[in-house]
Amino acid sequence: DAGVTQSPTHLIKTRGQHVTLRCSPISGHKSVSWYQQVLGQGPQFIFQYYEKEERGRGNFPDRFSARQFPNYSSELNVNALLLGDSALYLCASSLRQAMIGNTIYFGEGSWLTVV
Amino acid sequence: GESVGLHLPTLSVQEGDNSIINCAYSNSASDYFIWYKQESGKGPQFIIDIRSNMDKRQGQRVTVLLNKTVKHLSLQIAATQPGDSAVYFCAELLGDYGQNFVFGPGTRLSVLP
Repeated sequence: DAGVTQSPTHLIKTRGQHVTLRCSPISGHKSVSWYQQVLGQGPQFIFQYYEKEERGRGNFPDRFSARQFPNYSSELNVNALLLGDSALYLCASSLRQAMIGNTIYFGEGSWLTVV
Repeated sequence: GESVGLHLPTLSVQEGDNSIINCAYSNSASDYFIWYKQESGKGPQFIIDIRSNMDKRQGQRVTVLLNKTVKHLSLQIAATQPGDSAVYFCAELLGDYGQNFVFGPGTRLSVLP
């Protein structure tokens, strides 16, 4: 079975541009979460989507947005890119919304470099 | 792929020895904790979890200890192997519905031959 798949794996953008990152959860998983991991730090929570609705949001500006599609795949959009947005963006999927006892599987991530 | 955690604290252990990785968490109300392993160029991988009503949980070659009094977690790896070399993160569960994890800064484990 395929795990969590993310695309693209690497990309380079210029300041001020917009980026869309994509995630396909494990088959049957309805919850998708997005995390940002800056070099040298642990992942930071951005969003959780469950059954196509936003269920949680971390401390990120409105330039960050996401959505979940009927097939439970998800997109993360970042507008007006800043140099500080350079990071590994991780997608995680799980069966249920609540995380306790609910194994979460991470994808390999999308490396975004903003120049 | 690029390596995350280039400036992390590093723990070096001899192959076959036991490793202990420590983590301090922030919220005394946190109810659930997970240890993740992240190899270079890969996403975090679940190792073991523990709920706040426990103080110890064992898995295969790994044990997690929870000390709620001082808000401290530790991960013990028995008979450390070269494949254990990675960055290890502890994460506590927060959010109104327990939907997001707050990760610690991570520790790089290097296994020496």
